[in-house]
Amino acid sequence: DTAVSQTPKYLVTQMGNDKSIKCEQNLGHDTMYWYKQDSKKFLKIMFSYNNKELIINETVPNRFSPKSPDKAHLNLHINSLELGDSAVYFCASSFSRETEAFFGQGTRLTVV
Amino acid sequence: DAKTTQPNSMESNEEEPVHLPCNHSTISGTDYIHWYRQLPSQGPEYVIHGLTSNVNNRMASLAIAEDRKSSTLILHRATLRDAAVYYCILRDRPHNYGQNFVFGPGTRLSVLP
Repeated sequence: DTAVSQTPKYLVTQMGNDKSIKCEQNLGHDTMYWYKQDSKKFLKIMFSYNNKELIINETVPNRFSPKSPDKAHLNLHINSLELGDSAVYFCASSFSRETEAFFGQGTRLTVV
Repeated sequence: DAKTTQPNSMESNEEEPVHLPCNHSTISGTDYIHWYRQLPSQGPEYVIHGLTSNVNNRMASLAIAEDRKSSTLILHRATLRDAAVYYCILRDRPHNYGQNFVFGPGTRLSVLP
């Protein structure tokens, strides 16, 4: 059973489109995260959600919006996609009171 | 944003021990030291963490300097499957959920057969 699953694994789309990446965790964790890994391989935190409340929102364009329908899901919506959005996006989850985070396998987004 | 510094890359021979260093001179008293690794085309995975004392688990050992300004991840016998990017990161005490994992560039470990 996959602990943190993301769909789709690959996403190719044109500039200006709106797309979503889904993330689900079956670990019962109360905190979920989205990370972006660019071509230079730096992992940068984008959002984190704890108990359905956004607790950290880094300097991310407002074209990116996380949506959490329930504690097990944190989806990432991206509007008006730009070339610079091309990257691998990772979802993760953890217990807020514990230290280990579990990551999904990533979604490779390519904007053409 | 990363508060740690690591060598960009290291090499090791298979079945030999590997010592991956990390400097964190600005560490605060409540920061935990975490290590994650990222295998090719996969998401990061947890390796080990510690606060003050050395730690051991089935994957690795973590040696923490007495002043806590540096630490070393020890892989006792490197295998080809250990080739990955290893990240040393700091995170505040667990119940402060406002703190997130901030990853630096990490150390790319190559394991030679």
